[in-house]
Amino acid sequence: EAGVAQSPRYKIIEKRQSVAFWCNPISGHATLYWYQQILGQGPKLLIQFQNNGVVDDSQLPKDRFSAERLKGVDSTLKIQPAKLEDSAVYLCASSLNTGGQPQHFGDGTRLSIL
Amino acid sequence: AQSVTQPDIHITVSEGASLELRCNYSYGATPYLFWYVQSPGQGLQLLLKYFSGDTLVQGIKGFEAEFKRSQSSFNLRKPSVHWSDAAEYFCAVGANNAGNMLTFGGGTRLMVKP
Repeated sequence: EAGVAQSPRYKIIEKRQSVAFWCNPISGHATLYWYQQILGQGPKLLIQFQNNGVVDDSQLPKDRFSAERLKGVDSTLKIQPAKLEDSAVYLCASSLNTGGQPQHFGDGTRLSIL
Repeated sequence: AQSVTQPDIHITVSEGASLELRCNYSYGATPYLFWYVQSPGQGLQLLLKYFSGDTLVQGIKGFEAEFKRSQSSFNLRKPSVHWSDAAEYFCAVGANNAGNMLTFGGGTRLMVKP
């Protein structure tokens, strides 16, 4: 089975610019997650979707971050405007459903802010 | 709210030696527990998971973990480490409800000496 696909793999932008990341989950997975992983730390959940609805976005900085999953499959995460502290790896994961189903991760997008 | 502590930031072992990585969690009920491994530039790969039942859980790549409720621990073990095991290891706790949100520890970086 194909894994979680993410693009781009790397992105370098200047502060105050905007950037978008794309994620295609494993086919049939209803639940999709975006994590932020700052260097030297564990991943931190930003937002969780169940199909095309948001389950939890309590840790998403909504003044600059937005995410959508319009048709319940692919998802995009956007940052506008970017700050220096947004430099991190952004990981997308998907699971078959909730209720303890294991999450499968993509390889991430490494974002560097200059 | 749940939390995870991985007390060891770095561990170095000799190839062929045994390994134990520590994980302590905080959660009000019986949690879902996971161990993931992350190689440089890649996403997280699931090693094993605990939901209920037998407290000794077998995973991939020869890893096992033991859930000890009295100690709030879920330590990862391997009897004989291979050079390819060098990576970062993350313990995670999932809430035992419908949300399926994971909280990760800070990770332990494993280095293997030849």
